Amino acid sequence: GDSVTQMEGPVTLSEEAFLTINCTYTATGYPSLFWYVQYPGEGLQLLLKATKADDKGSNKGFEATYRKETTSFHLEKGSVQVSDSAVYFCALRRKDYTGANSKLTFGKGITLSVRP
Amino acid sequence: DTEVTQTPKHLVMGMTNKKSLKCEQHMGHRAMYWYKQKAKKPPELMFVYSYEKLSINESVPSRFSPECPNSSLLNLHLHALQPEDSALYLCASSQGQGYSGANVLTFGAGSRLTVL
Repeated sequence: GDSVTQMEGPVTLSEEAFLTINCTYTATGYPSLFWYVQYPGEGLQLLLKATKADDKGSNKGFEATYRKETTSFHLEKGSVQVSDSAVYFCALRRKDYTGANSKLTFGKGITLSVRP
Repeated sequence: DTEVTQTPKHLVMGMTNKKSLKCEQHMGHRAMYWYKQKAKKPPELMFVYSYEKLSINESVPSRFSPECPNSSLLNLHLHALQPEDSALYLCASSQGQGYSGANVLTFGAGSRLTVL
């Protein structure tokens, strides 16, 4: 079945540090890949997405590239801010042979804390 | 309007109470979802409505009863809940099953439920 594996957390960084959060996936076919972010006490917000191999999703200074050869979708940001402190979920969704969408499969999530 | 609105934000109820959670979207989405999220975990799918019909029930106990009165509204009726049902309940919506794009889920801010 489909699965998403995220690196173990939590991650603590100083402000302006470089961020990488690893995400790899297992799925048949060509899934769409997503990063969702959850700020404290809030629901999930879509951060970025990519729908095919070599696509790069970007938003708010975050980037992730869909790498089919390594089945990865690592999240990066060049300079993190305190306001980036949140939980980050990698997720995938694919279409089955009928064209219907599968369930959204989440990774376990990783907590990022950024110190001033 | 690109939001999913959930009410109430917080709900405290006893094990014998009957209450409801409400969700509304005006994006023209034809699929709506209920998720349950425990602390520090990814969301778990409970129900999916597609074109106002229940299409997925993830073996959720009958003390949770979903309802989709129209294409913009989704309710979750709660009765005889247990303390372990305390969680953040997230509503989401997306384009219908026939959508050819990535079919991104848009989440609400959630309703935080405490069962005493």
